[in-house]
Formats: sequence, C-alpha cells, structure tokens
Amino acid sequence: NAGVMQNPRHLVRRRGQEARLRCSPMKGHSHVYWYRQLPEEGLKFMVYLQKENIIDESGMPKERFSAEFPKEGPSILRIQQVVRGDSAAYFCASSPPGLSGANVLTFGAGSRLTVL
Amino acid sequence: SQKIEQNSEALNIQEGKTATLTCNYTNYSPAYLQWYRQDPGRGPVFLLLIRENEKEKRKERLKVTFDTTLKQSLFHITASQPADSATYLCAFTFAGNNRKLIWGLGTSLAVNP
Repeated sequence: NAGVMQNPRHLVRRRGQEARLRCSPMKGHSHVYWYRQLPEEGLKFMVYLQKENIIDESGMPKERFSAEFPKEGPSILRIQQVVRGDSAAYFCASSPPGLSGANVLTFGAGSRLTVL
Repeated sequence: SQKIEQNSEALNIQEGKTATLTCNYTNYSPAYLQWYRQDPGRGPVFLLLIRENEKEKRKERLKVTFDTTLKQSLFHITASQPADSATYLCAFTFAGNNRKLIWGLGTSLAVNP
C-alpha cells in the first residue's frame, strides 16, 4: 500500500526553464494538496485539487505557477520560467473523500527544486 | 486573521525526560488541532488529533492537551529518546472548512543521549 509518491525527489533547473513536479496520491485518496516549504517560513499552502478540479488555489502565485490533477495520472505542479526564489521543497499531500471529521493529511517525501 | 504560533527556539532535553512543546493560537478556537512530526528531508507525518471539545488525547508516549481558555495546545513526549529528535508541527482547522489546515512553523526538538 504505497503512500504519496512524489517525483523527482531533486530537480535542478536554470533560471528561465520550466519545472514539473508530480504527485500520485495515496490509494483511495481523491484530494491532493501542494505545499511549499522554506527553512524560515514553514509550510505554505499553495493549492488544493480533486480530480479534474481546482478547489482552492488561494496560495498559488498569480503568475508562472499552475497545477492540475487530471482524470488519469498524477497531479502536476508546473512552474514556468523559474527564478532563484522558487528554490524550495515542494510537498504534496493527499486525503480521502467523504470527510466526516478532521482532514488528516498524508504527505509525500517532497521534491526539492534548486534554481541555478 | 488567525495566527498559530510555536516556539521558534529549539528545545534540547536529556533522554528519559518529558518534552513539552507549545502551540498557541489567536482569535477563534479551531475545531480540530493536529500534531505532525517532520524529519530532515522528509514530509510531515501525522501523530495525533484533538477536537475542540476534548481536553486530552494520548497515544503511547505521546499526549496532547487542548485549552480553549488559554488558546493553547501542549504536546508531551514522555520518556523521550534520541529517536524522537525531529521538528514538530501543529496545524488546525475550523468547523465549516475542514479541508484547509493552518500550520505553525514548527519547533525543533533534540533529545540528547
């Protein structure tokens, strides 16, 4: 029973290139969340998706960042024209459908993006 | 707006002692408060959940309390071990928006042998 799978674990990009981070949720989970973490800033919510729907993208930068969770395949966080400030750890988490109580998240191991 | 605060200073304790970590919040009480553990280079891992109407929750060596008067949750690790060294994060959600978690910055714990 695999948990949340993220890849790549490490990604190096030069300024101006595109970064694509992938996340496969835990089996049976239908909700995916993306977070960004910097050492001094803690976990910052970016976006929350269900299959084929973006539910809440209030934490996403207005430009260059996008996320999708297609009917088939993993969720993808896409960063276009990366800048040095995009260097961070990006975590994906998932949770099951049918929430009756607290939303307990299962996290992946993260993708560490370094922009040169 | 709601804020959640954890002690930013690292906590160093001796093996066998009880570690106590603090999570304070402002304004409204959360419906649920969760504690997670994060090791370097890894994602957070869920530990314990406590509801607004609960005072205390236990799981093995872990104990969480929730005081809505003080607007505070305490997280205790009894008989601490070096393997307990990690960063501990608290997160809360409000009734009516249970999907969205608001996170503290975390407190680093080091248990010395």
